[in-house]
Amino acid sequence: AQSVTQPDIHITVSEGASLELRCNYSYGATPYLFWYVQSPGQGLQLLLKYFSGDTLVQGIKGFEAEFKRSQSSFNLRKPSVHWSDAAEYFCAVGPFSGGYNKLIFGAGTRLAVHP
Amino acid sequence: ETGVTQTPRHLVMGMTNKKSLKCEQHLGHNAMYWYKQSAKKPLELMFVYNFKEQTENNSVPSRFSPECPNSSHLFLHLHTLQPEDSALYLCASSPTAGENTEAFFGQGTRLTVV
Repeated sequence: AQSVTQPDIHITVSEGASLELRCNYSYGATPYLFWYVQSPGQGLQLLLKYFSGDTLVQGIKGFEAEFKRSQSSFNLRKPSVHWSDAAEYFCAVGPFSGGYNKLIFGAGTRLAVHP
Repeated sequence: ETGVTQTPRHLVMGMTNKKSLKCEQHLGHNAMYWYKQSAKKPLELMFVYNFKEQTENNSVPSRFSPECPNSSHLFLHLHTLQPEDSALYLCASSPTAGENTEAFFGQGTRLTVV
């Protein structure tokens, strides 16, 4: 069965510190992978995506993620966190079939940033 | 602003009420989705419409009734809901031409059933 696991429910970091949010997936074929961010009371905004090619992908707001097939992982990183990065982050795997995405989401990681 | 607009942003309804959620996009996308986001649970895909035809219904109770009159609009009609249906309902859309596509989400409707 297809699934996404985000092992960390809550993470707290200090402003300026580096960040890594973990994501593991279970999927039978080459996955399409996404990271979305959700601020309180808002919808989801796409940070970055991986479809094929270079396994290190760059996204918006200084985020990057690395696809590691051998580990079934797609961890999100940022070298220096800003207070405005406090939000909830969702990893998703999206089989593309029949002409549309069928996203399967992880449970999310809530990020708090200390000044 | 993602180009996907949902109304209303907040809705409180009784268990005997009938209400509708609306989603609108003018991005030229042909696929539209309803997701449910409950507290402490992953987002759940409810329905998918592709070119106005329903292509996915993930065992959603019949008290939720979707409608897609055209590729730009998607509705979720609600009737006789239960308190456990209280959640954030998110609409999304995506292109269907080609494979390198992503879903664009609206800001959601926060539904409270009392």
